[in-house]
Formats: sequence, structure tokens, C-alpha cells
Amino acid sequence: DAKTTQPNSMESNEEEPVHLPCNHSTISGTDYIHWYRQLPSQGPEYVIHGLTSNVNNRMASLAIAEDRKSSTLILHRATLRDAAVYYCILRIWDSNYQLIWGAGTKLIIKP
Amino acid sequence: GAGVSQSPSNKVTEKGKDVELRCDPISGHTALYWYRQSLGQGLEFLIYFQGNSAPDKSGLPSDRFSAERTGGSVSTLTIQRTQQEDSAVYLCASSQGQGASYEQFFGPGTRLTVL
Repeated sequence: DAKTTQPNSMESNEEEPVHLPCNHSTISGTDYIHWYRQLPSQGPEYVIHGLTSNVNNRMASLAIAEDRKSSTLILHRATLRDAAVYYCILRIWDSNYQLIWGAGTKLIIKP
Repeated sequence: GAGVSQSPSNKVTEKGKDVELRCDPISGHTALYWYRQSLGQGLEFLIYFQGNSAPDKSGLPSDRFSAERTGGSVSTLTIQRTQQEDSAVYLCASSQGQGASYEQFFGPGTRLTVL
């Protein structure tokens, strides 16, 4: 039960913005939205997380819908190094805080 | 600074043998997780350690799997009598705290192949 829904794959051109969507309609009030990415043959890498407000960091921005049932990861200027599988994950407050992983979105960057 | 390290990076073993996988978390991180990832799939939670508390073993797929964490630092995942379906990448992650807002830092993983 992954609790999030993402497209299987997306393509984008290099140096253009990328918007990766995620649906999480069963989210509860205390669940955090985390995004990780996994480059080929590497362990996952933290990207960003948020609860209710939009968040920005050096890697990306996270836009969270007002009802929190969806969110969008924004890469402002994609490079070839951003080609990876991006996972949108709910971090459940009342569990052992494990990350429940879905299949993610494979992002393909075209030069 | 040093990240999470895992050893070995690759392990090939014969069906029925026991294997031990090691994880060195980031110094000072109290939470440690083990996951496994089959080819083309997302991660599957296995076990969780938090400080000196009893580990959460709810994700272990069978009693052939066990893990320990010595001194609140290094962890070892042991698989007894390995089966071919155990072939996967085993990932370890550590976290600074227990809260849902803390990020997890992952090691590079151990690729286990059971022949």
C-alpha cells in the first residue's frame, strides 16, 4: 500500500523546468510529504520534504496543494545529471517513520 | 563528512549459505533502517532501530532474516539459508532523529546474488 500515485515516466528537455506530480489523496493531517531520487546504481538521495507550505531548497521546490491531496516537485532547470527515478513518499507520523515506497517516476532528460 | 557506508558492495553466494551484510551509519544518527530493492521496484522496508529501543522487525520477510545493531552504531543484517528470491540490493539508511520530518541518508547498498 504505497499511498502515493505517480506517473511511471516523464521526459523533459535539458535546461527546461520539470514538474513531477504526485497524488496522495489518503494523506492525514500529520503525514509529511518526502521526495527522494535514485540515480542509476546508487542508493536513494533525499531531495525535499514538506508538510503544508511550499518549500524551496538548493535542489528543488515542492508545491503542496491546499487540500494536501497532491504535490508537485519542481526542478527549475533540469540537467542530464537529474535523470533518475523520483519517489514521492508519505512519512507516517504514527508509525516507526519508515518510508513507504512506490514505483516512482523515471525522469528522462533529453539533451 | 562521511556518509553511510555498506559492505560488501557485491555478494554472490550459493543457495543455502548464510550471508552477513554490514552497515556503518553516520556518526550520531540514532535511527537506522534496512530496506531491500528488487530489480525495477521501489524499496521494501525490513527493520528499524532507534537508539536503545527494541527494533521494529515488522518488515522482515521470514525468520531466516535477522539484524542487530551493536553499541547504537554499526548494524549487521544476516540472512540464513539464502534462497534465490533473496537476490536484491540491500540498502541501509540512517537518520538523525525519529520524527517524520527527518530525512534519511542512504548507503550505496549491497547487491546480493543467490545462485
